[in-house]
Amino acid sequence: KNEVEQSPQNLTAQEGEFITINCSYSVGISALHWLQQHPGGGIVSLFMLSSGKKKHGRLIATINIQEKHSSLHITASHPRDSAVYICAVPPETSGSRLTFGEGTQLTVNP
Amino acid sequence: GAVVSQHPSRVICKSGTSVKIECRSLDFQATTMFWYRQFPKQSLMLMATSNEGSKATYEQGVEKDKFLINHASLTLSTLTVTSAHPEDSSFYICSAQTGANTEAFFGQGTRLTVV
Repeated sequence: KNEVEQSPQNLTAQEGEFITINCSYSVGISALHWLQQHPGGGIVSLFMLSSGKKKHGRLIATINIQEKHSSLHITASHPRDSAVYICAVPPETSGSRLTFGEGTQLTVNP
Repeated sequence: GAVVSQHPSRVICKSGTSVKIECRSLDFQATTMFWYRQFPKQSLMLMATSNEGSKATYEQGVEKDKFLINHASLTLSTLTVTSAHPEDSSFYICSAQTGANTEAFFGQGTRLTVV
């Protein structure tokens, strides 16, 4: 079993739909990262959170440390949101090293 | 957010030659940088952890003599793929953090093709 599991692996949505991507992890952590990888390969850090909820524009990330679960929500999705979304955690025993989920390929159709 | 610049973004080289990839933190000092390799449709695979002023820590199965990492300053780490072979063709990407449990900033990645 992977230390970080994401679901779904692939997600296709129509423009305007509300998107949810889930991440579960099995290790002790102090924070969780949500990353976005564009088709060209570049990776952007969306959020780093250790509790509660964070919001940036149309993106919302939540985390429940007790349940070891995080969600990334996208409101009013747009084709430009099409990308791979990756959940990553630094296990407490690993210093700064990140353990990555397999990623969720999101395609938003116009 | 902070910026990490990775260069080159694409490189094609002949088999047997060496290729150097640079990763620079532009507006912050990165005590630790990470080098990853990514195969198509797969997750990032950590190759090594680069600490300024000390030897890199390589992951199991990564050849130290093949993938030379130098972290000469707090803003620059380099990965040199030595005696490249077609099987080294891949996407390489670096990330930098200012410390443990801080936000991770990624370079743009380098697509290496060895012909």
